[in-house]
Amino acid sequence: AQKVTQAQTEISVVEKEDVTLDCVYETRDTTYYLFWYKQPPSGELVFLIRRNSFDEQNEISGRYSWNFQKSTSSFNFTITASQVVDSAVYFCALSGRGNQAGTALIFGKGTTLSVSS
Amino acid sequence: DAEITQSPRHKITETGRQVTLACHQTWNHNNMFWYRQDLGHGLRLIHYSYGVQDTNKGEVSDGYSVSRSNTEDLPLTLESAASSQTSVYFCASSDVSGLLGDTQYFGPGTRLTVL
Repeated sequence: AQKVTQAQTEISVVEKEDVTLDCVYETRDTTYYLFWYKQPPSGELVFLIRRNSFDEQNEISGRYSWNFQKSTSSFNFTITASQVVDSAVYFCALSGRGNQAGTALIFGKGTTLSVSS
Repeated sequence: DAEITQSPRHKITETGRQVTLACHQTWNHNNMFWYRQDLGHGLRLIHYSYGVQDTNKGEVSDGYSVSRSNTEDLPLTLESAASSQTSVYFCASSDVSGLLGDTQYFGPGTRLTVL
């Protein structure tokens, strides 16, 4: 079975702190994709990144970076110098061929990040 | 700009009533999905479609149905609303029919309350 675990339910930091959101996944597939989405207080889901299982290069986009490690089945997300606007719920998700629901996403339960000024 | 919209954005209904939530996308995407979001559960898949006339059940499909008569729309119907169906509902779409890893883009969500 496929599963995504976000063990951190809530994280609180002060502005300018770095913060890492953990994501651990389970799958027997060799081909799969991992995603991160952001859900700000307004409620919409915003796509952040997609990685496939054959590309373990870390990625950086501005203050955001992602660390993909197949050896530990993790796809962690780091925000550098956090800002109040980063306050949101962050979801990690998995899509793999072994999913009985085709290409649909399997989501973790989300991590609520609160950044205070 | 292409987009995905949901209506209504908020709905209050009574137990036993039939409710239909609309989802419309203008990207001409083949794949469309319905998820529900509940506290402590993240998002869970209700139904999905890979194209016109194609519908499939997801993890939590009991009490829900969908139909796909055109590319743009995937309405979600609650046949007889129950309090357990109080939730936030998200529609999503992605481009290539059945393509693994295709990025899904989400609508703004519909908050449904069943009294």
